[in-house]
Amino acid sequence: DADVTQTPRNRITKTGKRIMLECSQTKGHDRMYWYRQDPGLGLRLIYYSFDVKDINKGEISDGYSVSRQAQAKFSLSLESAIPNQTALYFCATSDRWEDQETQYFGPGTRLLVL
Amino acid sequence: KQEVTQIPAALSVPEGENLVLNCSFTDSAIYNLQWFRQDPGKGLTSLLLIQSSQREQTSGRLNASLDKSSGRSTLYIAASQPGDSATYLCAVLTFGDYKLSFGAGTTVTVRA
Repeated sequence: DADVTQTPRNRITKTGKRIMLECSQTKGHDRMYWYRQDPGLGLRLIYYSFDVKDINKGEISDGYSVSRQAQAKFSLSLESAIPNQTALYFCATSDRWEDQETQYFGPGTRLLVL
Repeated sequence: KQEVTQIPAALSVPEGENLVLNCSFTDSAIYNLQWFRQDPGKGLTSLLLIQSSQREQTSGRLNASLDKSSGRSTLYIAASQPGDSATYLCAVLTFGDYKLSFGAGTTVTVRA
């Protein structure tokens, strides 16, 4: 089984709808992240959480919110979806910061907002 | 703000040729630099991580170098195979920052 899972894998929605993307991990990591990827751009950080009580905005948090329901679960919500939120969304986890830290990524959720 | 650039954006080579992928970054105060591989529908996989004190890392046919002072890293893939076809992303972790900064990636196609 995958260590980091995302649901749904694909989603089509309409402008103005509220949607939630979910992420679960079995790695036991405290740190979790949400990124979006657009064609021709690198991954950009939306929100990150270093533990259940810690939530931080990334570089492009406007229009998004998150919930860290448990160590293993981190959800991303679009309160009122708009077409420019069409993108590939990745959840990631990590165990430690400096030096040897690497991040483990889920398979991604492809979102289309019409 | 850290800026990461990858050149070229796309690369197509015949099987067996060596691949050279470039990554540059603007702020040399980094903890580490990582190379990831992205396959469609499968997310990102970490290939190599180079700490700021290291000059290179090797794993099988992959070798990554780091020249922190000039803000550059190169990923070499020896004797390329069709299975190496993927998008390769470079990312750096900068001092005082709490996120990885990613390049846009190089999409590699290895022709059989």
